[in-house]
Amino acid sequence: NAGVTQTPKFRVLKTGQSMTLLCAQDMNHEYMYWYRQDPGMGLRLIHYSVGEGTTAKGEVPDGYNVSRLKKQNFLLGLESAAPSQTSVYFCASSYPEQGSDEQFFGPGTRLTVL
Amino acid sequence: KNEVEQSPQNLTAQEGEFITINCSYSVGISALHWLQQHPGGGIVSLFMLSSGKKKHGRLIATINIQEKHSSLHITASHPRDSAVYICAVGGGTYKYIFGTGTRLKVLA
Repeated sequence: NAGVTQTPKFRVLKTGQSMTLLCAQDMNHEYMYWYRQDPGMGLRLIHYSVGEGTTAKGEVPDGYNVSRLKKQNFLLGLESAAPSQTSVYFCASSYPEQGSDEQFFGPGTRLTVL
Repeated sequence: KNEVEQSPQNLTAQEGEFITINCSYSVGISALHWLQQHPGGGIVSLFMLSSGKKKHGRLIATINIQEKHSSLHITASHPRDSAVYICAVGGGTYKYIFGTGTRLKVLA
């Protein structure tokens, strides 16, 4: 099993450009999450999904959109990138039906917006 | 005040030293997690605790629910233990609240 994978690993954008980050998991997990990690701050939840076709806002959702068309994939979109969105983005998944809230993380995507 | 506080923020130790990282939280939780993040790397789960103590190799994690406090101990530390250690609490909604992390550097 590959676990949780993210593409791309690195990306540089110019202000105003758009892009989509892809997260994929092969563990049949119901829940998926997108976080951003910034220096001096804890990971912050952007959006999450509790199942295929459902999404919900997290702590810092502004400027981002998400979609969960397939259970194994969770996409994070930036419609018009801003320098404030320079960050490291992590995807995670979990399977609470197993009675555990343990989350499994992807390797991260380092995004720079110029 | 953050809901999850870690101390220290930075820690430098000599190889072989016993290391303790602390986590205090102010919210009700269903479980507390210790995570490890190597430089430039992803995040891996070390422990999930709801009570008592767990041990894995040289790592020991404890939690005191009444005092809302957890500690991560590393015995006989090694340079490969150098990483950021993150405390996260889960409140039963399957959403974590993260601490800001403790950056550990172990010198040979």
